[in-house]
Amino acid sequence: EVQLVESGGGLVQPGGSLRVSCAASGFIFSDYSMNWVRQAPGKGLEWISFISNSSTVIFYADSVKGRFTVSRDNAERSLYLQMNSLRDEDTAVYYCACGSYLGQGTLVTVSS
Amino acid sequence: DIQMTQSPSSLSASVGDRVTITCRASQGIGNNLAWYQQKPGKAPKRLIYAASRLHSGVPSRFRGSASGTEFTLTISSLQPEDFATYFCLQHNDYQYTFGQGTTLDIK
Repeated sequence: EVQLVESGGGLVQPGGSLRVSCAASGFIFSDYSMNWVRQAPGKGLEWISFISNSSTVIFYADSVKGRFTVSRDNAERSLYLQMNSLRDEDTAVYYCACGSYLGQGTLVTVSS
Repeated sequence: DIQMTQSPSSLSASVGDRVTITCRASQGIGNNLAWYQQKPGKAPKRLIYAASRLHSGVPSRFRGSASGTEFTLTISSLQPEDFATYFCLQHNDYQYTFGQGTTLDIK
């Protein structure tokens, strides 16, 4: 069974940094592209980043471009999102996604 | 990017009712569409994938169907635990897009 388990969320001050992770199991991780999506409180879901299976193709939403960096370690079956220059509006639950699967999410709160 | 237009945005129904929720894609997405259920404070739960395939363990009263760029989620006989928010997700394109969500509440 496919499992995507996010971790690393927490409280961070505006302007700060945080790295969230996603541990994948139940499928051949190195064969699949991965995504990050997020859901702000009371809002719908928003796609924020894509990384191809070999990390050669990467895309970002305009809302995070230049501040967030996606990466992956196929040997560790893990996906990462490095978030810098965090803003209040980045407060959200962050989910990793593969195909039609979403993980259970990790909450990032940006507040002073 | 592909736009997903979901309707209705809210729906009131009674236990035992049959309800239908629709997502329309702005362009072809094949069958790369899933339906999710979300309850307050919880992670989304996948119900349907590949437009019409039932996720393991999901009751058979949930049914997905597709006609061109229109996708439908039908719940055949509402149960108390079905009152929640439902949304569609297209993953045909690298840039996932989502329906705006349908809040299903008790009439």
